[in-house]
Formats: sequence, C-alpha cells, structure tokens
Amino acid sequence: GAVVSQHPSRVICKSGTSVKIECRSLDFQATTMFWYRQFPKQSLMLMATSNEGSKATYEQGVEKDKFLINHASLTLSTLTVTSAHPEDSSFYICSARAAGSSNQPQHFGDGTRLSIL
Amino acid sequence: DAKTTQPPSMDCAEGRAANLPCNHSTISGNEYVYWYRQIHSQGPQYIIHGLKNNETNEMASLIITEDRKSSTLILPHATLRDTAVYYCIVRSGGFTSGTYKYIFGTGTRLKVLA
Repeated sequence: GAVVSQHPSRVICKSGTSVKIECRSLDFQATTMFWYRQFPKQSLMLMATSNEGSKATYEQGVEKDKFLINHASLTLSTLTVTSAHPEDSSFYICSARAAGSSNQPQHFGDGTRLSIL
Repeated sequence: DAKTTQPPSMDCAEGRAANLPCNHSTISGNEYVYWYRQIHSQGPQYIIHGLKNNETNEMASLIITEDRKSSTLILPHATLRDTAVYYCIVRSGGFTSGTYKYIFGTGTRLKVLA
C-alpha cells in the first residue's frame, strides 16, 4: 500500500529555533501534499495544501511566513516552523495523494510531535 | 466546516460488530465518502472509501444509503486494537479547481471492551 514517511517523529527545541519537518511519499508520486496540526484531544486541522512546483495554499488564519512550505519534488514536501514559540507546540501531520487520481484517498504520515521549551 | 457529523463516542464488546454511523446530508453527486481511524499519537490510517455502492475490504465494510445522505462503517469482529477515533470525511472542494481537501470533523471515539 501507499506509504508516507514523516521525519523527525519528535522534536524538542528551544524557543526561537526554526524546525524543519519532512514528508516523503515512498512508493508513489504526489503532486499534492497536505499539512495538518492537531492539538491534544482535538481533531486534525488543515494548515495548508502543498503543490509540487508552486506556492502552497494556506488555510485562513495560518501564517504563511510562520509556516514555510516547500514541495520541490513529487515525493518530498517540507514544513518549516520559523522562530518557534511554546504556542507552536503541537502534533504536525502530513498526507499525500497520488498524482492523477482525484478520488483516491490521502495517505498520512505518522506525525511529528513538536515541543518548544 | 466539516461536511459530516458523527456521534462523539461508542463502546463495543470485543468480538462483536462495531457499526459507526455518519451523516453527510449535503454530499454532492460525485463526492466520495472516506473513512479513517487514528490511534493515539499516530497519523490517521485509511480504512475504506465509496461513492454509492457498498464496499468491503479486509478491514471493514462500508454501507451507503441509497440517498447517499448517510453511511455506516462496519468492523465485523472488533478487537481491542480497533480502539481508536474514527473519522468520516467527504472531500471538500473540486479537484480541477485545485481546492480539493479534507476537512476533519470531531470523529467517533470507539472503545472496544474486553
């Protein structure tokens, strides 16, 4: 089945640090990847849609300068949390959908738990 | 906003069938229904999806009503490992417009009891 790998699985760092999270589709090409954030006991909240070779589309209320997204290839998207602060601590999850298959499901990574001290 | 509503929680005895309902009364004619589950501290796991016909795979069965306004996910013989939050999702946006995306609702927290 389709596999999405996310790295790192956990990050703990000091306030003010920038953190990069990678999302890779291992056995399929993904023209579109999605980034979500999940706070404890809450549902997933879509942050942005990452399109290969073009700018990401951010959801309302998500700061694009704070959460930088790069989707430079058909198998890799990155999310960089810039100048992270304690309120950015959360569970970040990516997903990917195979190219050319509009109704096929998204496949999710196992998430990155970010803790800012 | 999510286009689906689900009960917040359900219990099921181990070995029995778990039937998880979902309402999606505003679904459009060409929109699929997708089911995922999330076990604590992991990413959502794909279960099954369908358009209008009932679907079955090695994990579950999906029953979609004839008017497509609701569906039921059936886990035929629930085990303790099926304890998770189950999400029913109808895709938002259109593929050709590039706005296709999932909006997650609150899901159903299924607890399988020994």
